[in-house]
Amino acid sequence: DAGVIQSPRHEVTEMGQEVTLRCKPISGHNSLFWYRQTMMRGLELLIYFNNNVPIDDSGMPEDRFSAKMPNASFSTLKIQPSEPRDSAVYFCASSYLGGQPQHFGDGTRLSIL
Amino acid sequence: TQLLEQSPQFLSIQEGENLTVYCNSSSVFSSLQWYRQEPGEGPVLLVTVVTGGEVKKLKRLTFQFGDARKDSSLHITAAQPGDTGLYLCAPRTSAGGTSYGKLTFGQGTILTVHP
Repeated sequence: DAGVIQSPRHEVTEMGQEVTLRCKPISGHNSLFWYRQTMMRGLELLIYFNNNVPIDDSGMPEDRFSAKMPNASFSTLKIQPSEPRDSAVYFCASSYLGGQPQHFGDGTRLSIL
Repeated sequence: TQLLEQSPQFLSIQEGENLTVYCNSSSVFSSLQWYRQEPGEGPVLLVTVVTGGEVKKLKRLTFQFGDARKDSSLHITAAQPGDTGLYLCAPRTSAGGTSYGKLTFGQGTILTVHP
């Protein structure tokens, strides 16, 4: 079975540019999570969706971040404009229900110069 | 705001040694999950513990949930180089009785097992 698929795996861009990260959850899972991981702050939940609806976006750092889930098989996390402090590894995870174990993708390593 | 602490932050041992890592909090949790993350990959679930005092074994790994459901430990017997990785605990708090309970991840313990 295919796991959670994230793209791109690596992204390097200059500050001020728009960055779009993509995620395809496991088929049949109805909860999707976006996390950010840094050495300083560890793994932080940014936002999660249930049945394509955002349930909790309290972890989204600021208005420069936005996330969408137009259908059950696709989600995006967008940063506009990007800043060097956004550099991190961004993970997407999905689960069958919000309370069930989460399956993580391999992440997108984002570097903002 | 709950405080979640994992210790030690770093652990470097030789193959064959035993070790224990800890996850402690000031809050009571409905359940707790342990994940392992290897470089360049996402975390992978190892176990979920639900009941206070519960002990679960997964081959050489033994997980315990504290009686008060505020803490947990992971013990590895005869560690192997393949156990190397970042070990994360992730307690879950109930959210209004729904299944939308949020996971909060600790900072993790970075374990290195040398051959």
